[in-house]
Amino acid sequence: EIQLQESGPGLVKPSQSLSLTCSVTGYTITSGYDWSWIRKFPGNKMEWMGYISNSGSTNYNPSLKIRISITRDTSKNQFFLQLNSVTTEDTATYYCARGIGTSWGQGVMVTVSS
Amino acid sequence: DIQMTQSPSSLPASLGDRVTITCRASQDIGNYLRWFQQKPGKSPRLMIYGATNLAAGVPSRFSGSRSGSDYSLTISSLESEDMADYYCLQSKESPYTFGAGTKLELK
Repeated sequence: EIQLQESGPGLVKPSQSLSLTCSVTGYTITSGYDWSWIRKFPGNKMEWMGYISNSGSTNYNPSLKIRISITRDTSKNQFFLQLNSVTTEDTATYYCARGIGTSWGQGVMVTVSS
Repeated sequence: DIQMTQSPSSLPASLGDRVTITCRASQDIGNYLRWFQQKPGKSPRLMIYGATNLAAGVPSRFSGSRSGSDYSLTISSLESEDMADYYCLQSKESPYTFGAGTKLELK
C-alpha cells in the first residue's frame, strides 16, 4: 500500500523559502504517475501547485511559476517542494499526492509569519 | 484557467436523504472531473474519477454524473460518516482547478 508523508518546518518567515519533503513508501516514484503538491488555504480554498512526472519533467501552476520548484531524489524515493519569497498568503496546509489526488499525504500546516 | 463553479457551498441534510452537489465548468473538460471528500483533520480522499467512476473502496451510495458542462456528485442515502467537505477538480487542462467546496452537514 502506498504511503506519502510530508515533512518540513511549520513556520517560515516572510520573504524566505518554504521547503517541504514528501517521502513515498510502497511505490517507486519513477515507476509511473505524476507526483503533485496541492495546498489548502485557511477558508478552505484548494490549489494545485504543480507536479514532477515519473520521468522528472515538471509542470507548475502559472500563478506560482516564478517562485516554485519541484525536484526529486530517486535514491530516497522522495520529492520536494520549494516555494520562494513567501508571504502570509502562502499560509496553508500543504499536501503531497500521487497523480492528481489518487493518494494523499496527511498534510503539513505551514504558517508564514515573522 | 478553467473555472469550476461549485454549489451549494453548504448543504444541511438529514440521514437517509438523497443529496446532490454540482460543479459547472467554464469550458469543456470532457470527463476529466474528480470528486474528493475531506473530513476534519484528515487528508482528502478520491471518491469519483472520470466524472462517473467510483474510486476503490467507495460505497455504492456515491455516484457521479454529467450533463453537458454540469457535473454532479450524488449520495443516494446519506449516512453519518458522509458528513464532510466535498470538492470537485478538473484535470483536463493545466493548471488543474478545484471548486470552492461544499460543506455537507446534519440538518
